Amino acid sequence: ELKVEQNPLFLSMQEGKNYTIYCNYSTTSDRLYWYRQDPGKSLESLFVLLSNGAVKQEGRLMASLDTKARLSTLHITAAVHDLSATYFCAVDINMNRDDKIIFGKGTRLHILP
Amino acid sequence: DTEVTQTPKHLVMGMTNKKSLKCEQHMGHRAMYWYKQKAKKPPELMFVYSYEKLSINESVPSRFSPECPNSSLLNLHLHALQPEDSALYLCASSQDPRGAQNTEAFFGQGTRLTVV
Repeated sequence: ELKVEQNPLFLSMQEGKNYTIYCNYSTTSDRLYWYRQDPGKSLESLFVLLSNGAVKQEGRLMASLDTKARLSTLHITAAVHDLSATYFCAVDINMNRDDKIIFGKGTRLHILP
Repeated sequence: DTEVTQTPKHLVMGMTNKKSLKCEQHMGHRAMYWYKQKAKKPPELMFVYSYEKLSINESVPSRFSPECPNSSLLNLHLHALQPEDSALYLCASSQDPRGAQNTEAFFGQGTRLTVV
């Protein structure tokens, strides 16, 4: 059974600090997504990571993927209040030629001004 | 156009009602998904359609009935729901359900369903 584990589940941090969210998964996959969700809203795609060693950056967020370790990280640099949201990683697995996207439990990020 | 459109945005229905949720995309995506999300929980996969055929049903109760009339449309028919079915229902689509590269899943804005 595929497990996708994120940690921490909740993070309160000061503006200007750096932090990393971790996403571990239990089965082979070569596609991993990071999404952001604001309260009451849908999911906003942040990154799609397609291969081992992939690194993508957008503004203060940087995501990486290590398929051998089955680990992805989302690094936040010099956090600002606007980044407060819930962040989900999601793993794409191929089941009998069909894709199934399974989400981690999410990390609620609260950035204090 | 990278949009997945869901209607309605909000729905309140009684336990004896029949209603439908609709999802539409015009990106040529051949995989479409329904997810259910309860408050402060991650989205949970319900159904996957691949080339307009139901390929994954995650043991969803029969009071939820999906339908894919064509490659752009995905419906979720609701009948005899329970209050615990109240949630945000998200539709998503991706380009190729058979593991092609550059497959990104796009989500609609969701339908917030309340069963009374």
